[in-house]
Formats: sequence, structure tokens, C-alpha cells
Amino acid sequence: DQQVKQNSPSLSVQEGRISILNCDYTNSMFDYFLWYKKYPAEGPTFLISISSIKDKNEDGRFTVFLNKSAKHLSLHIVPSQPGDSAVYFCAASRLGAGTASKLTFGTGTRLQVTL
Amino acid sequence: TAGITQAPTSQILAAGRSMTLRCTQDMRHNAMYWYRQDLGLGLRLIHYSNTAGTTGKGEVPDGYSVSRANTDDFPLTLASAVPSQTSVYFCASSATTGGGYTFGSGTRLTVV
Repeated sequence: DQQVKQNSPSLSVQEGRISILNCDYTNSMFDYFLWYKKYPAEGPTFLISISSIKDKNEDGRFTVFLNKSAKHLSLHIVPSQPGDSAVYFCAASRLGAGTASKLTFGTGTRLQVTL
Repeated sequence: TAGITQAPTSQILAAGRSMTLRCTQDMRHNAMYWYRQDLGLGLRLIHYSNTAGTTGKGEVPDGYSVSRANTDDFPLTLASAVPSQTSVYFCASSATTGGGYTFGSGTRLTVV
């Protein structure tokens, strides 16, 4: 049972255009959501996060939108750059005081930014 | 550079043999995790540790064991490897109060 789903295995976008990566979740108890970026032969690196009390968080070219009623979040990258080509993982967790924030990951979306 | 060190980088292991994947962090994070990454399945949690001296099972713990004798080290042991354990293994850590993980660079394990 995949609690965090990324239904698009891959996405190709032209340089300078907007990239939109989507993620759906089924567990309504999730209250913290994150995006990770992964290059080949490297570990994932944290990109941006959002708490369930917000519907938008922006950091430079990266913006994450959360729609709790639809259990959907998306990552917008604008403008897209060739260095953004990577696999993007959506992740979700339930924050609990004093406990580890175990993350549940989606299956990833491979973004290719073309010239 | 502060972070997580995993060893070895890659390994080919005969089925039935045992192996320990090493993970060391220098950030004094309380929580540590082991994930495996498989094509089409994303990252799945194997075991985790909230703090030194405690461990817990994740989504796919069978065939794996862990220990957390101190804050810095979190080794993952395969007692008797099987081909289905062929995967890329990532160790990660986080501050207990939440937030993002810091991941190691991974260990690529092939069981033949």
C-alpha cells in the first residue's frame, strides 16, 4: 500500500520553463511534507518542506503547494535549469514530540531539463 | 565536511554470506535510519533508531538487523544475504525534533 504516490515516473521540460512535479498521499495523519532531490550515485538532498498548517512555501526558484483537502502537493521550479535534472522524491511524515520523524517516500519523478 | 559516511561504496556478495554495512555521522543527530532504494519502489525504511540504545522496525525489516551502541554509528547487518536484497542502501540521520534528513552517499549491494 503506497501511502505517498508520484504517478509520473518522468518529466521533460525546456530550460527556462516551469517544472511541476506532483505528489499524492493517502494518510491524513501526515502533517509534514518534504521534497528531496537526488543525483546519480549520490544520496538524496533536502530541497524544501511544508507543514500542514500552510498551503505554500517558497524558497528561491522552488515553491511547494499543499492542498490538504485533495491530499495533494506539488513542487514548482521556475525557471528550470539544466542542473535541476535529477530524480525528485516526495516524502511525508507525522511529527511527534521527542520521536524520530520517520519519512515515507514516494517512488520518485525523473526530471530532465533540456536546452 | 560534516555529514554521514557509509562504507563500503559498493559490494558484490555471495548468497548466504553475511555482511555489515557501516554508517557513521558526525552531526550528533539523535535519530538514524536505513532505507533501501529500488527501481519503481522509491525509498523504503528498513530500520530506524530514535536515540542511542534504541532501535525500531520500518516497512521492510525482514532479513536485516541493526544496533545503536552510540550516537554516531548505526550499522546494518544482513545475516544471510539473498538476491532480493540487491539494492542501494542509504543511511540517514535527523534531529529528533523533526525536519529534513541528511543522507549518506549510499552502498550499492549486489547479492549473487
